[in-house]
Amino acid sequence: DTGVSQDPRHKITKRGQNVTFRCDPISEHNRLYWYRQTLGQGPEFLTYFQNEAQLEKSRLLSDRFSAERPKGSFSTLEIQRTEQGDSAMYLCASTPQRTEAFFGQGTRLTVV
Amino acid sequence: DQQVKQNSPSLSVQEGRISILNCDYTNSMFDYFLWYKKYPAEGPTFLISISSIKDKNEDGRFTVFLNKSAKHLSLHIVPSQPGDSAVYFCAASGAGGTSYGKLTFGQGTILTVHP
Repeated sequence: DTGVSQDPRHKITKRGQNVTFRCDPISEHNRLYWYRQTLGQGPEFLTYFQNEAQLEKSRLLSDRFSAERPKGSFSTLEIQRTEQGDSAMYLCASTPQRTEAFFGQGTRLTVV
Repeated sequence: DQQVKQNSPSLSVQEGRISILNCDYTNSMFDYFLWYKKYPAEGPTFLISISSIKDKNEDGRFTVFLNKSAKHLSLHIVPSQPGDSAVYFCAASGAGGTSYGKLTFGQGTILTVHP
């Protein structure tokens, strides 16, 4: 399978715990994006990497959120001290250059 | 502020008929528009796109129309099939460079195609 892969697919955590999600983009894609989708809404942009450089962050990305792409390949998104409002689908997408973004299946986070 | 709006939360169509999904945007800096389809528990899948220099793009049963002066685009599906039943998202992107691929999405329209 050469699509965008996200792990885990589902995560249930207690409020206050830290969680980390992983995204493996399509191998030749140098641009990687994280989005968040809540119920009844479209995906919202969180942050973007070109290779290993994080080039843009949304104001939605509070200081409890951190994303990395250490070697320009896979990326991780960590949420510290989770809150119930963090419950959402977290989507990763990748793209080579001027073309459409390819999305993974997402990680569904539930904070209880 | 909702820069991309899909004002119809849902649309129901008979198999074989045309489905028309609409989208409005407010940001005049958007220059590339896309439609994505999403099934439950899956990520969005790209359907079709259009650059702001065009007013129409066709791909099989799917056609996207862009009216820049009205800041409006629409997706036509002809003929509609039951397998088209999904949530459809309109998305927009700004001028090239670093913002390309950074998408602003509408809220989505749930399309149901009845056999």
